[in-house]
Amino acid sequence: DSGVTQTPKHLITATGQRVTLRCSPRSGDLSVYWYQQSLDQGLQFLIQYYNGEERAKGNILERFSAQQFPDLHSELNLSSLELGDSALYFCASSAQAGGGEQYFGPGTRLTVT
Amino acid sequence: DAKTTQPPSMDCAEGRAANLPCNHSTISGNEYVYWYRQIHSQGPQYIIHGLKNNETNEMASLIITEDRKSSTLILPHATLRDTAVYYCIVRLHNTDKLIFGTGTRLQVFP
Repeated sequence: DSGVTQTPKHLITATGQRVTLRCSPRSGDLSVYWYQQSLDQGLQFLIQYYNGEERAKGNILERFSAQQFPDLHSELNLSSLELGDSALYFCASSAQAGGGEQYFGPGTRLTVT
Repeated sequence: DAKTTQPPSMDCAEGRAANLPCNHSTISGNEYVYWYRQIHSQGPQYIIHGLKNNETNEMASLIITEDRKSSTLILPHATLRDTAVYYCIVRLHNTDKLIFGTGTRLQVFP
């Protein structure tokens, strides 16, 4: 158990819909990262927040957005969903703004039908 | 793009050492080598990292060549639970994201 929690575990929704994925980092960790893992693209970094501020952006679509709240939990919002958005979405946390080990949550499996 | 090259798959007998190679010929002086693994579809798990010296922890050992162009992750006594995809990642120590390649799928057999 990494100490990172993600909800929900599974999500099934239709194209065009909007969903919110939630992540609680390990106690004391200030950085939260979001990754997407699909069959054809592998594990890809989406975005990072550090202590409430966006710190780094990766291959995140404009239809996707994220935020980190004062209690340090984070949410990833996916809108206008397409079939290709079906994937595992992982959240990770670390103590530092950059570098060091990242601890991953169990993931949310999103299926868009 | 990932800056590492790993064999796509390897087999190892239970109880034997698993030696997973990684080539990172373009590594720069301030980049570290990190290893993670992913068991089935679980979240990736940190294993070990190093800069130029060999490193050992409770999970594994990391051997980095003197020229730093390649490294080997060693699981000293592989168990069935070590069956996973192992990712070798080159990374500046103060950067944020992890860039995952395709990794090595290690199959440990009885």
